[in-house]
Amino acid sequence: EDQVTQSPEALRLQEGESSSLNCSYTVSGLRGLFWYRQDPGKGPEFLFTLYSAGEEKEKERLKATLTKKESFLHITAPKPEDSATYLCAPQGGAQKLVFGQGTRLTINP
Amino acid sequence: GAVVSQHPSRVICKSGTSVKIECRSLDFQATTMFWYRQFPKQSLMLMATSNEGSKATYEQGVEKDKFLINHASLTLSTLTVTSAHPEDSSFYICSASPTLVGEQYFGPGTRLTVT
Repeated sequence: EDQVTQSPEALRLQEGESSSLNCSYTVSGLRGLFWYRQDPGKGPEFLFTLYSAGEEKEKERLKATLTKKESFLHITAPKPEDSATYLCAPQGGAQKLVFGQGTRLTINP
Repeated sequence: GAVVSQHPSRVICKSGTSVKIECRSLDFQATTMFWYRQFPKQSLMLMATSNEGSKATYEQGVEKDKFLINHASLTLSTLTVTSAHPEDSSFYICSASPTLVGEQYFGPGTRLTVT
């Protein structure tokens, strides 16, 4: 059965304090792994797609990396506006996204 | 690009009535559309997958006669919650994908409250 575990569940950082979020997955026939950002009361916003181990993608203060069993979302010098829940979702052979529970990130000014 | 809209954003209805939620891809044609529901502080739960012109595929445990999905065109899918009950109150989110396999773009969600 496809499974996704994100850690930590919640993370509080000071502005400028870099950190990483983890996504561990077990998915048959991985087609891609997606990262989304979700603000309260809104739909998820697409951030990145990673397709193969070793791949990295960057967008502003965010960088996503992928191994065969994990993905990391690195946040460098975060700002308060980076506060959100970050969701990872690998996609297996059935086209469906398997969502993790998310990491609730809070950046204090 | 890749904008998905949902309407309405909020709806309150009485128990026993039906509610229709629309999902539109505004700037691309969506081969596939998905419907999710999300309870407070929980992740997204896939309800069904629909392809234009064909019947939706429902996830295990989702009642297809209660949650009617119609994917009438490459830019429009609708979810109708029939005979709504308070336990159907939730945040419903649709997504659309321009390809058979690839990223999904999400709508802003619809907050349904059944009284």
